[in-house]
Amino acid sequence: SAVISQKPSRDICQRGTSLTIQCQVDSQVTMMFWYRQQPGQSLTLIATANQGSEATYESGFVIDKFPISRPNLTFSTLTVSNMSPEDSSIYLCSVEDLDRASTDTQYFGPGTRLTVL
Amino acid sequence: QKEVEQNSGPLSVPEGAIASLNCTYSDRGSQSFFWYRQYSGKSPELIMSIYSNGDKEDGRFTAQLNKASQYVSLLIRDSQPSDSATYLCAVSSGGYNKLIFGAGTRLAVHP
Repeated sequence: SAVISQKPSRDICQRGTSLTIQCQVDSQVTMMFWYRQQPGQSLTLIATANQGSEATYESGFVIDKFPISRPNLTFSTLTVSNMSPEDSSIYLCSVEDLDRASTDTQYFGPGTRLTVL
Repeated sequence: QKEVEQNSGPLSVPEGAIASLNCTYSDRGSQSFFWYRQYSGKSPELIMSIYSNGDKEDGRFTAQLNKASQYVSLLIRDSQPSDSATYLCAVSSGGYNKLIFGAGTRLAVHP
């Protein structure tokens, strides 16, 4: 499976500021996904990022709050804008591993733990 | 609203026993089903995928799928304390290969 890294691994930010999270994959992948996992909760998909097109956002998530870039097939960023304490979560990127015969299989990066004060 | 339901637990089993984790889903069009394990403070790790009705075995893990009843389960044989984690059920739904996750079942294996 693909090796996925995320930066930063954790951060503590002030209210009203923005943080950009990077996701790097060691092989080319078509689809990358960004999830949020709030404390004690399961994973919620924020958006799907395909190279060469605009990200597709899920209900409840908007581009102004969570702008996403996907400049190439191995890299994506998620920005959490104008943060509030409610944005304190773990943010995870995942990729669909096309080397496997089975479809839809997603592998996750290590996550970014964000605390907003 | 397409949903995936899991019992939150905790499910407590003694070491060496079989742990049985269950998941139901609402989208009859779902084709792919996954079990992930998540240790506290870590990201989800894929354990099993299943696509066809019936059982699929991988080591101590067996996934079971029944599309007619819209449930998928995970059996862990010879449970070990290292299996103590939250188990997330995920189901494909809609376009772009989206996965919908259940809330997870917390498993505690005690010596």
